[in-house]
Amino acid sequence: KAGVTQTPRYLIKTRGQQVTLSCSPISGHRSVSWYQQTPGQGLQFLFEYFSETQRNKGNFPGRFSGRQFSNSRSEMNVSTLELGDSALYLCASRPGTSLSTEAFFGQGTRLTVV
Amino acid sequence: SQQGEEDPQALSIQEGENATMNCSYKTSINNLQWYRQNSGRGLVHLILIRSNEREKHSGRLRVTLDTSKKSSSLLITASRAADTASYFCATEGNTPLVFGKGTRLSVIA
Repeated sequence: KAGVTQTPRYLIKTRGQQVTLSCSPISGHRSVSWYQQTPGQGLQFLFEYFSETQRNKGNFPGRFSGRQFSNSRSEMNVSTLELGDSALYLCASRPGTSLSTEAFFGQGTRLTVV
Repeated sequence: SQQGEEDPQALSIQEGENATMNCSYKTSINNLQWYRQNSGRGLVHLILIRSNEREKHSGRLRVTLDTSKKSSSLLITASRAADTASYFCATEGNTPLVFGKGTRLSVIA
């Protein structure tokens, strides 16, 4: 089975721009979660999608948004980028039918805002 | 906000020694999971322990869970240089997985 694929792996953007990151989950997995990882704040939960619906949302401003398509692929978008948005963005996929299952992570997208 | 808090923040040991990392959390949980991350890459799942379990083993890993103290520990026995990584605990209750800030383990050959 192919793992979780995140694209692109690296990205450099300028303040004020917007960015879209993509995540393809493991085949058959319907839940996709996004996390932001920074040295200061650690791993912070952004949102979770299940069957094209946002099931949970973390405490991030409205500039951070996401969606999930019918094939379970997910995208997250950050608008009006700020320097503080520089981070490793990780996507995790799970079967989604119940809790208490392991999450499979992609390699992440390293976003640098200059 | 972080649910789990790992302790210590950093740990350095010699190859062959055992490494113990602790995790404390604040609210009731359904399960607690441990993950490993190598140098800013993706996280790899190590072990999941449910709230009604007290101990679990997987190879050289041993995890304990004490729900009365809201704490867990991860023991890696006979450590190897390849175990050098950051280790995170993650709790799952009414919200999806919430991670602590991790323990940075260095195993010196």
